[in-house]
Amino acid sequence: EAGVAQSPRYKIIEKRQSVAFWCNPISGHATLYWYQQILGQGPKLLIQFQNNGVVDDSQLPKDRFSAERLKGVDSTLKIQPAKLEDSAVYLCASSQDRVGNTIYFGEGSWLTVV
Amino acid sequence: ILNVEQSPQSLHVQEGDSTNFTCSFPSSNFYALHWYRWETAKSPEALFVMTLNGDEKKKGRISATLNTKEGYSYLYIKGSQPEDSATYLCAFIGDTDKLIFGTGTRLQVFP
Repeated sequence: EAGVAQSPRYKIIEKRQSVAFWCNPISGHATLYWYQQILGQGPKLLIQFQNNGVVDDSQLPKDRFSAERLKGVDSTLKIQPAKLEDSAVYLCASSQDRVGNTIYFGEGSWLTVV
Repeated sequence: ILNVEQSPQSLHVQEGDSTNFTCSFPSSNFYALHWYRWETAKSPEALFVMTLNGDEKKKGRISATLNTKEGYSYLYIKGSQPEDSATYLCAFIGDTDKLIFGTGTRLQVFP
């Protein structure tokens, strides 16, 4: 079974530029998550989709971050314009349902904003 | 704001030593606790999903216990090996239906 795919793996951009990350979850998984992990902190949930609907985006900085999951399959997370404090690993994850079951993570997209 | 705390923050042990870490979480509205292992540049890997008070789970040399009444879980590694070096994350699910992670314990096992 293929795992959660993410791209790009690494990205370096200047502040005020934009960046987009792509995620393809495990086939059949209805729930998709984007987490932000800043060095020294635990992963923080940015947005959670159930199929193509948003379940929780309370911690998504909506002035600069946006995410979509068209057709309830793959997803894109965009940052525009980027700030220095956005330097982090962006982890995509998926699960079969909303709670309880194991959540499977991708390898992450490592962003450095200079 | 729900708080999930892990201790210690980092740990350095010799190969063959046994070790354990702690995850503390809110004792009310408990639904599940997850443990993950995250090696650098790899995907976080699920170790255990624990739901019942008193649960004990084991996977090879790694085991975990759960006390939902007092709000803690222990992760044990018996006879640590260099390949066990990783960050170990716990995550709590309460009634908000959201996985809340701790900051992790970074384990380094020296040969």
